[in-house]
Amino acid sequence: DQQVKQNSPSLSVQEGRISILNCDYTNSMFDYFLWYKKYPAEGPTFLISISSIKDKNEDGRFTVFLNKSAKHLSLHIVPSQPGDSAVYFCAASGMDSSYKLIFGSGTRLLVRP
Amino acid sequence: DVKVTQSSRYLVKRTGEKVFLECVQDMDHENMFWYRQDPGLGLRLIYFSYDVKMKEKGDIPEGYSVSREKKERFSLILESASTNQTSMYLCASSFGRGQVVDTQYFGPGTRLTVL
Repeated sequence: DQQVKQNSPSLSVQEGRISILNCDYTNSMFDYFLWYKKYPAEGPTFLISISSIKDKNEDGRFTVFLNKSAKHLSLHIVPSQPGDSAVYFCAASGMDSSYKLIFGSGTRLLVRP
Repeated sequence: DVKVTQSSRYLVKRTGEKVFLECVQDMDHENMFWYRQDPGLGLRLIYFSYDVKMKEKGDIPEGYSVSREKKERFSLILESASTNQTSMYLCASSFGRGQVVDTQYFGPGTRLTVL
């Protein structure tokens, strides 16, 4: 049973527009959420995170929103650039295992020039 | 910068062979992890280690074992490789030491094909 779900396997957006990647979770004990970005033939790299005590965290063009009541988070990329084309993984951890991450299945983002 | 290296980028092995995947991190991290990545399934945790000689099973440990004799090195062992173990294997490390927030840093991955 997947505790972290990314229901969109792929997303295509035009350069300069907003990219919105979504993630849902089922475990209410999760209290920390992360987004990783992965290029082909490379390992995932940490992008941005958010604690459950916040509902928004911003870092440059990247913003993560957390809706605890809906158990939903989203990653916004504005403006999108061709170099953002990659697979994005959502991950979550809980108070009972802060070092163990549960990953979603990933969303492949394509930013068209 | 944290550096996590994996011994091979690509490996091709035959069914029944014993396979060793090596991972080394250079940041004195306590925690180390092995994942496999498969299309549509994301990253699934095989084993992790929170200290030298300590290990714990992840979500899919069957068919795998691990070894951590030194803090910086974490090995994944396939005792008898099977075709369903063809996958991308990713090693990661994190600071540990009771961190509330413990970001994991990944190596480049090993693409293993079992024929």
